[in-house]
Amino acid sequence: DAKTTQPTSMDCAEGRAANLPCNHSTISGNEYVYWYRQIHSQGPQYIIHGLKNNETNEMASLIITEDRKSSTLILPHATLRDTAVYYCIVRADLIQGAQKLVFGQGTRLTINP
Amino acid sequence: DAGVIQSPRHEVTEMGQEVTLRCKPISGHDYLFWYRQTMMRGLELLIYFNNNVPIDDSGMPEDRFSAKMPNASFSTLKIQPSEPRDSAVYFCASSHSPTPQYFGPGTRLTVL
Repeated sequence: DAKTTQPTSMDCAEGRAANLPCNHSTISGNEYVYWYRQIHSQGPQYIIHGLKNNETNEMASLIITEDRKSSTLILPHATLRDTAVYYCIVRADLIQGAQKLVFGQGTRLTINP
Repeated sequence: DAGVIQSPRHEVTEMGQEVTLRCKPISGHDYLFWYRQTMMRGLELLIYFNNNVPIDDSGMPEDRFSAKMPNASFSTLKIQPSEPRDSAVYFCASSHSPTPQYFGPGTRLTVL
């Protein structure tokens, strides 16, 4: 699986858009980009994933550059409840059908009132 | 759906004792994963099952750790004998390929 690089920490004001970057310069053509987050004392929570195209769901948007070497997770209107550690994970799907996720250190996002 | 259920939520035991952690995956999911999280090592995959069969246990730290999945709705992770360095939060997750993994709330294990 490709290695990812994320900033250790970020701050964002409540109500503003939070943009979390991730570098994955060694990503392979069949590898997906996944984002999970972990709110304090809880289990990791799936947010979104994508292969090439930008993706949006009720939680966030995922912007993947054309060369696929980096991506940005966007929380459009951050709230205090979005304070968490955000993990960017690159992996190939369908290795025996399972997602063998490898978690790095992630980005600790703090939303400030 | 109730999500992934783990029990107990907290476990405090003494060194040398046997510890059993339990997990009930989301109904219909055919993959089950056990992870361990510590401050030093972060989140690590220990083992995962597909259709109740262990597929990859390369993350299991040593022979003191064992995991079973006797049926599609139940799995256990056992540590025997437990040691202080096993203190961590243990998460269970499940998925139905190719959907994402859904994690349980975790079991916080403290070995004194």
